[in-house]
Amino acid sequence: AQSVAQPEDQVNVAEGNPLTVKCTYSVSGNPYLFWYVQYPNRGLQFLLKYITGDNLVKGSYGFEAEFNKSQTSFHLKKPSALVSDSALYFCAVRDVGNTPLVFGKGTRLSVIA
Amino acid sequence: NAGVMQNPRHLVRRRGQEARLRCSPMKGHSHVYWYRQLPEEGLKFMVYLQKENIIDESGMPKERFSAEFPKEGPSILRIQQVVRGDSAAYFCASSPTGGSTDTQYFGPGTRLTVL
Repeated sequence: AQSVAQPEDQVNVAEGNPLTVKCTYSVSGNPYLFWYVQYPNRGLQFLLKYITGDNLVKGSYGFEAEFNKSQTSFHLKKPSALVSDSALYFCAVRDVGNTPLVFGKGTRLSVIA
Repeated sequence: NAGVMQNPRHLVRRRGQEARLRCSPMKGHSHVYWYRQLPEEGLKFMVYLQKENIIDESGMPKERFSAEFPKEGPSILRIQQVVRGDSAAYFCASSPTGGSTDTQYFGPGTRLTVL
């Protein structure tokens, strides 16, 4: 069965600095990987996904993620953090064959001015 | 172009009552997924439905929970005889084809509180 790990519950970064939110996964076949962001009392907003092809995926709001098959990782990155990026970030994975989308526990990002 | 809609946004029930949560998918989407989020936890898959069919209910508790997606109208998640442990945020998502590479788009959620 597929699984996702987000090893950091909380990430703090100063505004203007680069940010990384880590994600590792486990699937039996080729992974389909997703990042979502959740603001307080809101639903999840889609940021980006990796299906196949280029290992560097660009998404919404300046975010990007790098797929690394050998390390089974899909870390979310942004070159310059904004205070408004402060939110809860979820990594999710789906295996082939219409299996359910499996989410990590989330990482709370706090960007300090 | 409206996104996924859920209502009510907040629902308070006493133990033993029924909770009924509604989800209208994005226009053109015929695949609906329900998830539950406990405080400080990620989302847990509950059930996947197409119009008039339950495709995967592997995450659904065996008792008291049911879901439907009729030919007309929204998808409904029904919780009978609610208990305090049912208090959570329930999110609905929709996608156009149901394929594994599809993006699922989420609604704002229904926050259920059981007193």
